[in-house]
Amino acid sequence: QLQLQASGPGLVKPSETLSLTCTVSGVSLSGSTYYWGWIRQPPGKGLEWIGSIYYSGTTYHNPSLKSRVTISVDTSKNQFSLKLNSVTAADTAVYYCAKQHGRWDDCFDTWGQGTMVSVSS
Amino acid sequence: EIVLTQSPGTLSLSPGERATLACRASQSVRNNFLAWYQQKPGQAPRLLIYSASSRPTDIPDRFSGSGSGTDFTLTISRLEPEDFAVYHCQQYGSSVTFGQGTKLEMK
Repeated sequence: QLQLQASGPGLVKPSETLSLTCTVSGVSLSGSTYYWGWIRQPPGKGLEWIGSIYYSGTTYHNPSLKSRVTISVDTSKNQFSLKLNSVTAADTAVYYCAKQHGRWDDCFDTWGQGTMVSVSS
Repeated sequence: EIVLTQSPGTLSLSPGERATLACRASQSVRNNFLAWYQQKPGQAPRLLIYSASSRPTDIPDRFSGSGSGTDFTLTISRLEPEDFAVYHCQQYGSSVTFGQGTKLEMK
């Protein structure tokens, strides 16, 4: 059964880099035929797509965040990761990793439980 | 960027009633690539509908989606107590964007 688990520091200081990892179990990233994405949700607000990655390393990003976002994949560990630099309080959110139905611009059919990240000094 | 506007912001209904939630796009959604998700407090979203009207096999048939172009609807035919939650729409016809959500609360 496919499961995703996001993990990382729960507190990041302003101007620093937020780093999260999504560990995938039940499916091998290598050779998978779908994209894997990051989505975030500020407290009490809606969902925002951050970006998506294929097992080969091909990535797509939300244009509003693109200059600050790096998404990478480590197939040997069956993980993909998110780095968001120069964070501010506006980046405080629950961060989810999820599997997409197929393409990078597709719906998300399996989600991890999410991890809360607060940006504060 | 396609902006999705969901209405109403909050819907108050009783178990057994029919719920109709709307999602309007700022421009036509290519191939009607529109999805709906259910999110309960403290949980991740769950995919209910994709391609405007298709339902994953584990989703009860009281959930249905309809619409095309810029106007889409999620209908819950007969509300169960576990259906009270926040519902999000997402378009994936042109990049990926989400609506702001509709809260379905028990009256």
